[in-house]
Amino acid sequence: EAGVTQFPSHSVIEKGQTVTLRCDPISGHDNLYWYRRVMGKEIKFLLHFVKESKQDESGMPNNRFLAERTGGTYSTLKVQPAELEDSGVYFCASSQVKNPYEQYFGPGTRLTVT
Amino acid sequence: KNQVEQSPQSLIILEGKNCTLQCNYTVSPFSNLRWYKQDTGRGPVSLTIMTFSENTKSNGRYTATLDADTKQSSLHITASQLSDSASYICVVSEMGGATNKLIFGTGTLLAVQP
Repeated sequence: EAGVTQFPSHSVIEKGQTVTLRCDPISGHDNLYWYRRVMGKEIKFLLHFVKESKQDESGMPNNRFLAERTGGTYSTLKVQPAELEDSGVYFCASSQVKNPYEQYFGPGTRLTVT
Repeated sequence: KNQVEQSPQSLIILEGKNCTLQCNYTVSPFSNLRWYKQDTGRGPVSLTIMTFSENTKSNGRYTATLDADTKQSSLHITASQLSDSASYICVVSEMGGATNKLIFGTGTLLAVQP
């Protein structure tokens, strides 16, 4: 069974540009989460999808971040325009509805904004 | 504010030795606590998970303990191997709510040397 995959693995962009991160959850996992780890800090929750619906987006830092999960399968996280403080590693995780706390993480996308 | 604190921040041990990592949390109401292992460039992988009523859980050479009264947990690694070199993250889940939000510690970076 394929795990959670994320694309790209690394992205280097300039301040003001736009970047879109993609996450493919484990097949059959309705729960999808985005997390972020900035340098020297702990991993922090960004938002949670159940299928295509946003269940909780309380962790989204500001309106420059837009997450979508059209069709309830893969998800994208767009940052527009990117700022220096957006640099970090963005993780995606997925879980089954019947076992929501057993979250499986992807390898992360390392975003560097210069 | 719900927090998860870990100590030490980093640790170097010789191959074959044992070590214990600590985690203190203030998350309330508490649902479960898990330890994750994160290899460099990879996503976190769950090692153990304990609910309020459990005070110990083993997974091979990894043994986690939980004292829900003092809100402390430890992860003991026995007979360390070079492949144990990684970041170990304590993660606590809040009980209830519409989402399954995980609260992460900053991790302990373990280096096992030959």
